[in-house]
Amino acid sequence: AQTVTQSQPEMSVQEAETVTLSCTYDTSESNYYLFWYKQPPSRQMILVIRQEAYKQQNATENRFSVNFQKAAKSFSLKISDSQLGDTAMYFCAYNSGGSNYKLTFGKGTLLTVNP
Amino acid sequence: AAGVIQSPRHLIKEKRETATLKCYPIPRHDTVYWYQQGPGQDPQFLISFYEKMQSDKGSIPDRFSAQQFSDYHSELNMSSLELGDSALYFCASSARGSLDGYTFGSGTRLTVV
Repeated sequence: AQTVTQSQPEMSVQEAETVTLSCTYDTSESNYYLFWYKQPPSRQMILVIRQEAYKQQNATENRFSVNFQKAAKSFSLKISDSQLGDTAMYFCAYNSGGSNYKLTFGKGTLLTVNP
Repeated sequence: AAGVIQSPRHLIKEKRETATLKCYPIPRHDTVYWYQQGPGQDPQFLISFYEKMQSDKGSIPDRFSAQQFSDYHSELNMSSLELGDSALYFCASSARGSLDGYTFGSGTRLTVV
């Protein structure tokens, strides 16, 4: 079974600084998808960024980028120029077959951005 | 743009009662997923449907059942409710073959007292 591990239960960063959230996963599949979801206090699950395992290029979305290391099974999220609105729980998630299969989530990292 | 609609937003039930949660996917999305997120926990996959047929099943208790209707909306039925069923229940939808991925609804917060 696939597992997703987030080793940082909580992190904090000063506004405008950069922070990196860690995620490792375990799978025997050769192709799969990885995601970072943001869950603010409103509890809405918001997709931040996604990465397809067969693509070597790291995904980027504005201030959000990932460092995908397939051999190490590592998928970290870097948030640049942190904003107060980035304060949220961040979940790393794995999907084995594209957009139509269940997601396996990590336990989450609570990120607090301080003014 | 239309989003995934879940109703009700909040629900309070007593132990041993029954609850029904509803999910209306994004138009043209043919797959629906249900997740349960307990307090301070990560979301856990319960069940999914594709074209009105169950496509995958996770850690869903036997007291729970779900179905997807001809208009693609889905309902999660929960019977003999227990205190431990108190959680946020998310529905998500996707279109098979699409690269857009999941879209989550805002969730239904169920409190069992």
